[in-house]
Amino acid sequence: QVQLQQSGAELVKPGSSVKISCKASGYTFTSYDMHWIKQQPGNGLEWIGWIYPGNGNTKYNQKFNGKATLTADKSSSTAYMQLSSLTSEDSAVYFCARDTMGITPYYFDYWGQGVMVTVSS
Amino acid sequence: DIQMTQSPASLSASLGETVSIECLASEGISNDLAWYQQKSGKSPQLLIYAASRLQDGVPSRFSGSGSGTRYSLKISGMQPEDEADYFCQQSYKYLYTFGAGTKLELK
Repeated sequence: QVQLQQSGAELVKPGSSVKISCKASGYTFTSYDMHWIKQQPGNGLEWIGWIYPGNGNTKYNQKFNGKATLTADKSSSTAYMQLSSLTSEDSAVYFCARDTMGITPYYFDYWGQGVMVTVSS
Repeated sequence: DIQMTQSPASLSASLGETVSIECLASEGISNDLAWYQQKSGKSPQLLIYAASRLQDGVPSRFSGSGSGTRYSLKISGMQPEDEADYFCQQSYKYLYTFGAGTKLELK
């Protein structure tokens, strides 16, 4: 069965960076886009970007250019998102989610459990 | 960016009641719309995609409809396990955007 297992909660200081992971299992990791989505209480869901692990291609929401960097390690079937220059606005839960692909792409059919990132001094 | 306006923001339904949630896109999205359910403390779950296609494993009391800019999610017969937040999402145009969500509670 498809599973996306994310890393644990992070408490980080303003101005620092954090790298969170999403380990995929139960499907061919290199054949599906992996998306990253931000959720803040009261602010709904915000799409950050996707990576295609097969070739490393990425696409970002312009708002997150310079903030988020997406990478993937094919050998371990793990996707990563690094967030840099953190501020309180980056405190949120971050999800990885698999793309449905095929003839109806750009929906998210499997999600990780989410990583809570708290930015505080 | 395409704005997704979801309504109502919250509603309360009795057991067995039929519930509808609506999403209005700021421009036509050609049925490229999904609905997600998010229970408290959990990840979102895909219910409906391409406006009206039921995701595998989702109960048939959930249905989606609409066209152009207006779309709706219907729950035919509210169940206790349906208490959750519901979000719409457009996949028509980069960047993919979500509605603000509807909180559905059992009366």
